[in-house]
Amino acid sequence: DVKVTQSSRYLVKRTGEKVFLECVQDMDHENMFWYRQDPGLGLRLIYFSYDVKMKEKGDIPEGYSVSREKKERFSLILESASTNQTSMYLCASSLRDRGSTLTINQPQHFGDGTRLSIL
Amino acid sequence: DAKTTQPNSMESNEEEPVHLPCNHSTISGTDYIHWYRQLPSQGPEYVIHGLTSNVNNRMASLAIAEDRKSSTLILHRATLRDAAVYYCILRDSNYGGSQGNLIFGKGTKLSVKP
Repeated sequence: DVKVTQSSRYLVKRTGEKVFLECVQDMDHENMFWYRQDPGLGLRLIYFSYDVKMKEKGDIPEGYSVSREKKERFSLILESASTNQTSMYLCASSLRDRGSTLTINQPQHFGDGTRLSIL
Repeated sequence: DAKTTQPNSMESNEEEPVHLPCNHSTISGTDYIHWYRQLPSQGPEYVIHGLTSNVNNRMASLAIAEDRKSSTLILHRATLRDAAVYYCILRDSNYGGSQGNLIFGKGTKLSVKP
């Protein structure tokens, strides 16, 4: 079975801190994603990576950056944490659709999430 | 992605089959139907997906109407562990965007009674 591991289940940080969320997958998937999930707003994509060192902005990239130096690891960085970044953060990975960078016909495999609180 | 409509909640008894409906009347010919579920305090979990034909896997079956305007996720014998929110999502194989990200609606909250 695919395993996507997020470094922390719960994290509490202070406003203005630089925060790192780490995600590792063990199935050699090309594509990796960072989402946040908030009540009433569903799942929203922050950033997406389709290869090492490649990244694309999702729907809500402001205040975040990402790093993918190795295929199995995708890091989300909150440059200067703010209270409106308190949320559940979910990492996912998937194979690519053949001949594409997309994952329309491939399942996405999620980690258990990091519940981040910014005080 | 086209829209889907699901009931807000459903109840089932343990060890009985569960049929979770999804309406997608504006589905296009290139839309795949995906189902995910999310257990409390966990990340979403892929369940099954299909295009036109019915699909089976170890977790569930997916029955797709002939006109593809609706589909049903079938759990053959519900267990307490199946209590979760189930999301029906359409994904367009002609999606011109660069992400292929998932967009979850409100889903159906399934309760399973012992």
